[in-house]
Amino acid sequence: QVQLQESGPGLVKPSQTLSLTCTVSGGSISSGSYYWSWIRQPAGKGLEWLGRIYTSGSTNYNPSLKSRVTMSVDTSKNQFSLKLSSVTAADTAVYYCARDRRNFLAFDIWGQGTMVTVSS
Amino acid sequence: QSVLTQPPSVSGAPGQRVTISCTGSSSNIGADYDVHWYQQLPGTAPKLLIYGNSNRPSGVPDRFSGSKSGTSASLAITGLQAEDEADYYCQSYDSSLSGRVFGGGTKLTVL
Repeated sequence: QVQLQESGPGLVKPSQTLSLTCTVSGGSISSGSYYWSWIRQPAGKGLEWLGRIYTSGSTNYNPSLKSRVTMSVDTSKNQFSLKLSSVTAADTAVYYCARDRRNFLAFDIWGQGTMVTVSS
Repeated sequence: QSVLTQPPSVSGAPGQRVTISCTGSSSNIGADYDVHWYQQLPGTAPKLLIYGNSNRPSGVPDRFSGSKSGTSASLAITGLQAEDEADYYCQSYDSSLSGRVFGGGTKLTVL
């Protein structure tokens, strides 16, 4: 069965760029049935969708973060990635990658999440 | 401030029925975009509970059901069990934001 796993630094300095990768196993990221999304959750707070990427490389970002977010996909490695620039303490959160069903626009498989702290 | 509004908390005794509401607007739920529900147990990633307003993924007990009407949706849980204690989130698509939106989450306490 398909599994997703986030990876990347757990600590990022303010004003720097947060970089995370999601590795998809048990299935191909190139399946046309899915988008691939990033979602985050600050401690004790709700979920925030950051954006999604399709296997072709087309993207759709949350307007509130659009100027700082970049997503990419590497089909040869079955991975997709997130970059968030100019981070502040407000970007401290658990970051999840998720499979995003195109026909329902729902997130049916999630990674376990990775905690990222922004601090000097 | 979340685009979709949920009550912060609900509670019920074992065996009882509870409902969680999710209120949106004409640019999301009211625009006929589907509503989905997620269950987040403490310390874990969210899990898809209901998709397409009222459909259960394989493995989700039929104690969980979803409905949608107008600009709102609801999640109902019957025969409450201690293991249902979790945070529940609704999610839809918003055309004015051109993206996915979540409710603020509802904490279910089983008394």
